[in-house]
Amino acid sequence: AQSVTQLGSHVSVSEGALVLLRCNYSSSVPPYLFWYVQYPNQGLQLLLKYTSAATLVKGINGFEAEFKKSETSFHLTKPSAHMSDAAEYFCAVTGNNQGGKLIFGQGTELSVKP
Amino acid sequence: SQTIHQWPATLVQPVGSPLSLECTVEGTSNPNLYWYRQAAGRGLQLLFYSVGIGQISSEVPQNLSASRPQDRQFILSSKKLLLSDSGFYLCAWSRTGAMNTEAFFGQGTRLTVV
Repeated sequence: AQSVTQLGSHVSVSEGALVLLRCNYSSSVPPYLFWYVQYPNQGLQLLLKYTSAATLVKGINGFEAEFKKSETSFHLTKPSAHMSDAAEYFCAVTGNNQGGKLIFGQGTELSVKP
Repeated sequence: SQTIHQWPATLVQPVGSPLSLECTVEGTSNPNLYWYRQAAGRGLQLLFYSVGIGQISSEVPQNLSASRPQDRQFILSSKKLLLSDSGFYLCAWSRTGAMNTEAFFGQGTRLTVV
C-alpha cells in the first residue's frame, strides 16, 4: 500500500522568505512523486514530478523538490516566497502497482505575509 | 493539446435529489479517468477510476456511482443525495499505460447539499 503524509496543515512565511513544505511517503514499490498546487475553487495544477531520474527536481514558479529515499521524503522548497504563492499544496504518490492512481496527502495551506 | 471540461462549476441540491456531474476530455484517446472528492481539511479522496469504456472501479463504498458511456466521458451520479455528499468534486485524466504519469485535473464542481 502507498500513503503520503504532509507535515503541517498550515504554513505561514513572510514574503521573500524560504518556503519549505514537507512530504513523507510510504511505498512498497519504487515511488513516483508529485507536487500539485490548488488555488481557491480551482482544480489542481502540477508543480513538479519525480519519476526515478534526477533526485532534485525543478518545477514551475521557482519550486523544486528533492527525493531522499533514505528519509522517504520529497519536500518542496522555494528560496523566496511571493505573495502569489499563497495556495494549497498537495503531495501525491503512485507506483507501478497502482494503475496510474494518485494517492494524495492531506494538503498544506501556504500563507504569505507581506 | 489536451483539455478537460467539468460542469457545472457550482451546484446546490436538496437532500434526496439526484445528481449528475459530467466530465469530458479532448485531445487524447483511451485516457484513464478519475473522480476525486475534496472535503474541507481532508485532502483528496479517490472515489472512482476507469481504464476504459464501461470499466469502473470504486475505491470507497458510498452513495455515489460512476459511468463511462464513451471513451472520453465520465459521469458521477447519485440517486438520492445525502448531506455528507457535499464537497468539491474533481475529475482528472492520465495517459493510459504510463505508470509514472501525472494526472490532469478539471476545474472542479462545488456541490452543496441542503
